[in-house]
Amino acid sequence: AQTVTQSQPEMSVQEAETVTLSCTYDTSESDYYLFWYKQPPSRQMILVIRQEAYKQQNATENRFSVNFQKAAKSFSLKISDSQLGDAAMYFCAYKGTYKYIFGTGTRLKVLA
Amino acid sequence: DAGVIQSPRHEVTEMGQEVTLRCKPISGHNSLFWYRQTMMRGLELLIYFNNNVPIDDSGMPEDRFSAKMPNASFSTLKIQPSEPRDSAVYFCASSRLPDLWGYGYTFGSGTRLTVV
Repeated sequence: AQTVTQSQPEMSVQEAETVTLSCTYDTSESDYYLFWYKQPPSRQMILVIRQEAYKQQNATENRFSVNFQKAAKSFSLKISDSQLGDAAMYFCAYKGTYKYIFGTGTRLKVLA
Repeated sequence: DAGVIQSPRHEVTEMGQEVTLRCKPISGHNSLFWYRQTMMRGLELLIYFNNNVPIDDSGMPEDRFSAKMPNASFSTLKIQPSEPRDSAVYFCASSRLPDLWGYGYTFGSGTRLTVV
C-alpha cells in the first residue's frame, strides 16, 4: 500500500525568507503524480503544485518549487520570499492508479 | 464554474441524531470523493464514486455511515446515528476521469460537523 509521510507537524519562517517542507512517500508503482495542497484558515483546499513522476525536472510555480528525488521517494516543497498569506496547513499528496493519499500535514507559520 | 458545492458549511447536532451532508460536484466531473479530516488522522478517504457507482468504500468507518450518488450532480453522506467521535470536517472533491494527467481534485469548502 502507498503511504505519504510528513514528519514536520509545524514550521515557522520569517517573512521574505525561504522555507522547505518535507514529504516522503512509499510506493511500488512506477507511474504516479505528487501534489502539494494548501489549506488556509478558510478551510478551502488549494492545489499549489504538481509533479509527474516520469519527469526529472522539478516543477515550479512562481515562488513555489519542489525538490523531487524519485529514488529516495522524497518530494519537498520550497517556498521562497515567504508572505503572510502563505500561512496555512500544507498537505503532500500522492496519486497512483486512481486514489489520492494525503500526508498528515505541516502547519506553516509566517512571522512578520 | 461554481466549483464543488457542499452544504451545510457547519452542522451541530445531538448524539443519536441523523446527519446528512450534501455535495454537488463540478459539472462534467465523473469522479467524486468523500474525505474526513481530523487533527489525529488528517485526511482520510471514506468512499469514492466513478460515474455515480461506488468503487471503494473501504474507508467508511462503520455501518452508521452511508453514501449515495443518485445522479452525476449530487451526492450525500449520511451518519445515523451520529456520535461525538464523528465530529470532524467532511470534504467532498471531484475530478474528471480518466485523470490521465493527474491534475488533482477540486475540493469543496467542507462541512464542519460537531456532535454534542
